[in-house]
Amino acid sequence: EIVMTQSPATLSVSPGERATLSCRASQSVSSNLAWYQQKPGQAPRLLIYGASTRATGIPARFSGSGSGTEFTLTISSLQSEDFAVYYCQQYNNWPRITFGQGTRLEIK
Amino acid sequence: QVQLQESGPGLVKPSGTLSLTCAVSGGSISSSNWWSWIRQPPGKGLEWIGEIYHSGSTNYNPSLKSRVTISVDKSKNQFSLKLSSVTAADTAVYYCARNLQKWEFDYWGQGTLVTVSS
Repeated sequence: EIVMTQSPATLSVSPGERATLSCRASQSVSSNLAWYQQKPGQAPRLLIYGASTRATGIPARFSGSGSGTEFTLTISSLQSEDFAVYYCQQYNNWPRITFGQGTRLEIK
Repeated sequence: QVQLQESGPGLVKPSGTLSLTCAVSGGSISSSNWWSWIRQPPGKGLEWIGEIYHSGSTNYNPSLKSRVTISVDKSKNQFSLKLSSVTAADTAVYYCARNLQKWEFDYWGQGTLVTVSS
């Protein structure tokens, strides 16, 4: 099983600043990586797939990069609605699809 | 706009079978997409359970394969999950979702909490 490790576990950032979230895979997942945002009591929302493609309707302030084992989600200028938990997910090792444990993005 | 809605019992006894249905609206389950079940134990991360195509083809997470059955009812535009021999470890919010291209999930139901307890 590919283990996805997200860091940091909690990130404190002020509105308007940039946030950088990391995701590391225990072995290469090529570009088969997605990012999700989840708010309390809600289902996850797909932000990025294919490591860098924004999903439909996702604002341009969200961007993804990386390939192989190292990935980054960047939120260029944090809005109040961006404070949530973010998960990465690999789907290169289907059917053993795995998610990271999440990064909580909180207001500083 | 595709919408998904889970339904089913919120409480299941240990050793019993968890049964959930996902109704799809705003789109056809017979589209070119696969459809998945994903779960999230309270306060924890996400786990993919399995997927189905409208033809009835299925794929399951190997860690759950022996206990999982996913089926489709095209006439009702819905698909279902059965998980047998449940224990407290199966307590989770269960989501149904649509696969976008591969195994990225672009539309999700609101989720339903299933508790395994006597």
